[in-house]
Amino acid sequence: DAKTTQPTSMDCAEGRAANLPCNHSTISGNEYVYWYRQIHSQGPQYIIHGLKNNETNEMASLIITEDRKSSTLILPHATLRDTAVYYCIVDGWDDKIIFGKGTRLHILP
Amino acid sequence: DAGVIQSPRHEVTEMGQEVTLRCKPISGHNSLFWYRQTMMRGLELLIYFNNNVPIDDSGMPEDRFSAKMPNASFSTLKIQPSEPRDSAVYFCASRSPQGGSIGTQYFGPGTRLLVL
Repeated sequence: DAKTTQPTSMDCAEGRAANLPCNHSTISGNEYVYWYRQIHSQGPQYIIHGLKNNETNEMASLIITEDRKSSTLILPHATLRDTAVYYCIVDGWDDKIIFGKGTRLHILP
Repeated sequence: DAGVIQSPRHEVTEMGQEVTLRCKPISGHNSLFWYRQTMMRGLELLIYFNNNVPIDDSGMPEDRFSAKMPNASFSTLKIQPSEPRDSAVYFCASRSPQGGSIGTQYFGPGTRLLVL
């Protein structure tokens, strides 16, 4: 699986958009980009995934660059409940996903 | 749907004792994953099953750890004998069948294990 690089931590004001970047420069053509998050003391939770096109669901938007070497997860209106560790993962064809250290997002009141 | 169910939610045991963690995946899901999470090592994949068959156990730390999936609705992770360094949160996740390897994993609430 391709590796990903994320900032260790980020702050975002409540009500503002949170933009979480992820680099995956070694991604291959058949690998998807997945985002999960883990709120304290809970199991990881799926957020969104994409291959080439930008994606949006009720939780977030995913913007993938044209060369697919990086992506950004956007939480449009962050709330205190969005405080969590966010994991960017590249999922290939071997069924395994590797969780890195993720980005610790702090939503500031 | 109740989601992935894990039991017990908390376990405190003494070094040398056998520990059995249990997982019930979401009905209809055909892949099951066991993870371990510690502050030092983060979230690590231990083993996963497809259609009840173990596919990759390369993440299992040593022979003290074993996992089984006797049917599509139940899996166990056993540690025998347990050691203090096994203290961690153990998560189970399941995934529905989709084309290729793509699929969302749904995680259980975890079992917090403390080995004294």
